[in-house]
Amino acid sequence: SQQGEEDPQALSIQEGENATMNCSYKTSINNLQWYRQNSGRGLVHLILIRSNEREKHSGRLRVTLDTSKKSSSLLITASRAADTASYFCATDAGYNFNKFYFGSGTKLNVKP
Amino acid sequence: DGGITQSPKYLFRKEGQNVTLSCEQNLNHDAMYWYRQDPGQGLRLIYYSQIVNDFQKGDIAEGYSVSREKKESFPLTVTSAQKNPTAFYLCASSRERTEEQYFGPGTRLTVT
Repeated sequence: SQQGEEDPQALSIQEGENATMNCSYKTSINNLQWYRQNSGRGLVHLILIRSNEREKHSGRLRVTLDTSKKSSSLLITASRAADTASYFCATDAGYNFNKFYFGSGTKLNVKP
Repeated sequence: DGGITQSPKYLFRKEGQNVTLSCEQNLNHDAMYWYRQDPGQGLRLIYYSQIVNDFQKGDIAEGYSVSREKKESFPLTVTSAQKNPTAFYLCASSRERTEEQYFGPGTRLTVT
């Protein structure tokens, strides 16, 4: 089964609200990454957080990592309609850090 | 412009035919990857390559083949042995194997 799984599968909020997505994984990692995908397009990298980091910020994005719980969260503050997309976490995996595993994603809908 | 390109955007083939998807990058990245995405799903790794003339199978390599004769290019062939080839195919590259990945726009393959 896949290393990373996002929760919830779908999220619908009003513009201006905050959106929180969670990612759980199974084995030890070097880093965890969050990506965004607009419908029918390629993925765009948002943030990379290393296993020795606990929190990272980029603009309106805040990512946390709890390696003891094997989980991460992505917070988008003051959401905009343009944030509507699917969000994926990706982790390298176990003994073979050459591979990345993507979760099935959280589909975020921000209503104007 | 630096980036990663995939062609064509849409591809239609008859069952039993092999088809090759193109992926080119001018980012001078060593690592390249091929993923498959099915509707509403995450990405699954087909093949990856860390250096020229070397590539490794991912989780769903059966029915696919790749080559890496040049650093810039990593074409994927979907063979007639692939049982269910209709999907969205994404190519990515990264500077090093554990760093952020840059994705192409994807090729949507339909086999009838």
